[in-house]
Amino acid sequence: GAGVSQSPSNKVTEKGKDVELRCDPISGHTALYWYRQSLGQGLEFLIYFQGNSAPDKSGLPSDRFSAERTGGSVSTLTIQRTQQEDSAVYLCASSLGGTSGTYEQYFGPGTRLTVT
Amino acid sequence: AQKVTQAQTEISVVEKEDVTLDCVYETRDTTYYLFWYKQPPSGELVFLIRRNSFDEQNEISGRYSWNFQKSTSSFNFTITASQVVDSAVYFCALIRSYNTDKLIFGTGTRLQVFP
Repeated sequence: GAGVSQSPSNKVTEKGKDVELRCDPISGHTALYWYRQSLGQGLEFLIYFQGNSAPDKSGLPSDRFSAERTGGSVSTLTIQRTQQEDSAVYLCASSLGGTSGTYEQYFGPGTRLTVT
Repeated sequence: AQKVTQAQTEISVVEKEDVTLDCVYETRDTTYYLFWYKQPPSGELVFLIRRNSFDEQNEISGRYSWNFQKSTSSFNFTITASQVVDSAVYFCALIRSYNTDKLIFGTGTRLQVFP
């Protein structure tokens, strides 16, 4: 079946602009995660969705970052007033989730964001 | 606090050599889950294995094997008879048993297999 998809695959933006990154999880996966991978910081958790709710937003680095999920499916990560330190690969993952068990997270190919 | 340490930043081997990637973790939870992911040059993280804290049985899958030892808080990964296609960055990760299930990653080990 189809895996996790992300769009765009690459995004170059000017400092100060807003960007939206999209994630389509595996069908039927209730849990969705955003991570960020950068050279200096490694792989960092950003936010977790269970259905449309985000019980853990603790990884969002500032209030310029926000995310939403609609219909228990697609999620959008928005970065406002982008800064050069936001340059990274943004990874989305999904899993069967649930509160009674832990399941493997399957990752998308990522969106490479470059802020100039 | 939870932490995963992969002390080996980069390993280079020649094809057909065996190689072991080390992973040491820290957690105060009694129930937790450990993972290995592979990130080839294409960039996509590929799930390899999950191990539950209550199951210390080692696992073998083809040329891959994993050694989980709670006594030393280690979850090491061995590739037998390495191949060029094994060249990638390998990440060890930890999940707590409740709440957000977010992955806590180590810094990764870059494995280069030369022909």
